[in-house]
Amino acid sequence: GAVVSQHPSWVICKSGTSVKIECRSLDFQATTMFWYRQFPKQSLMLMATSNEGSKATYEQGVEKDKFLINHASLTLSTLTVTSAHPEDSSFYICSALAGGSSYNEQFFGPGTRLTVL
Amino acid sequence: KNQVEQSPQSLIILEGKNCTLQCNYTVSPFSNLRWYKQDTGRGPVSLTIMTFSENTKSNGRYTATLDADTKQSSLHITASQLSDSASYICVVTRTNSGYALNFGKGTSLLVTP
Repeated sequence: GAVVSQHPSWVICKSGTSVKIECRSLDFQATTMFWYRQFPKQSLMLMATSNEGSKATYEQGVEKDKFLINHASLTLSTLTVTSAHPEDSSFYICSALAGGSSYNEQFFGPGTRLTVL
Repeated sequence: KNQVEQSPQSLIILEGKNCTLQCNYTVSPFSNLRWYKQDTGRGPVSLTIMTFSENTKSNGRYTATLDADTKQSSLHITASQLSDSASYICVVTRTNSGYALNFGKGTSLLVTP
């Protein structure tokens, strides 16, 4: 099956710093990727849809200036959490849309645990 | 409102036993229903995907059923193993809604020796 990787798998940073998370589709090209956030014992919440070569589409309530998304190639999307605060601590998961799938299937990355001190 | 409700919220079973997880949804118009397994600290992994015309699909010891009339699905796990301990998430998609996924909150399964 299609493989999606994320880097780093976990990161600890100080409040006020910025953190970049990478999402890569390893064996397929993905024109569309998605970024989710998951708090403990909660379901995944879509933050934004990332389209290669164009601006991301953010869900209501997600600050686009705080969560910068760049999808510069067909295999890489990055999420930068700017001026991170403790309330941004969460599990961030990306997914990539596999073109040609009859189900519009999204393949999920392993997630990145962000802890802001 | 497009909702996906799962039950039970959590479940503890002995290794080797079977169990069934439930998913009820109000998502409409229905496109497909997916069951994912999410290990702690990992991303979701797809187990099954079913469309309107499919009422059962198996993946090894996992068997999913779908009743599109009653808008209910179940995931049956046979001969459970310790590695089955995880959160199982039901996800429903709508037709003509792009790629939006409607997530259930998941059932947390613990398989004990």
